[in-house]
Amino acid sequence: GESVGLHLPTLSVQEGDNSIINCAYSNSASDYFIWYKQESGKGPQFIIDIRSNMDKRQGQRVTVLLNKTVKHLSLQIAATQPGDSAVYFCAENRRGSQGNLIFGKGTKLSVKP
Amino acid sequence: KAGVTQTPRYLIKTRGQQVTLSCSPISGHRSVSWYQQTPGQGLQFLFEYFSETQRNKGNFPGRFSGRQFSNSRSEMNVSTLELGDSALYLCASSLGGGQGWTEAFFGQGTRLTVV
Repeated sequence: GESVGLHLPTLSVQEGDNSIINCAYSNSASDYFIWYKQESGKGPQFIIDIRSNMDKRQGQRVTVLLNKTVKHLSLQIAATQPGDSAVYFCAENRRGSQGNLIFGKGTKLSVKP
Repeated sequence: KAGVTQTPRYLIKTRGQQVTLSCSPISGHRSVSWYQQTPGQGLQFLFEYFSETQRNKGNFPGRFSGRQFSNSRSEMNVSTLELGDSALYLCASSLGGGQGWTEAFFGQGTRLTVV
């Protein structure tokens, strides 16, 4: 079916290590892919997005990679910090439905000090 | 610049009642989208309003409705509440103009509990 899903529900990393969160999608019509971070009791917070015509985009300590061949999206967090502990969601936005984000189930990232 | 404001933060209602939630978007944003978040279903899109018109709609029953005012503030209403409507309701605002996606900012949500 058409969905955005995450490979791993939980990820535990040591402080200072790099984290990689993965996401699979199935709809080729998506125009944008977005990563959100949600801390307990808060709404999702935008991290980074990537357009479908790009393979890689970097932000501050984060990199998003898009592999359209295998319909795979990943978020890399460099030098993971305790403050990065949260649930991370990938989302896709389909062309012509710009106000509609389709979210994956989420991955919980725990950072051990 | 103020963020997205949702009121109330918490709400407890009885089955069969109706509820209205409010969302004030970031100043200058004309698009407001609503989402339902539950542990079992995750984040699901309800509907989106742009310039007072519903532009997109998700797969929710007609008990879920919304509207947007001329100042871009939006309300969503759920009638005849069911236990399964217990969830965190989130709204997101974005500039919304043009054809492409624009960054969406979320509010902290309204936690609705139906008893």
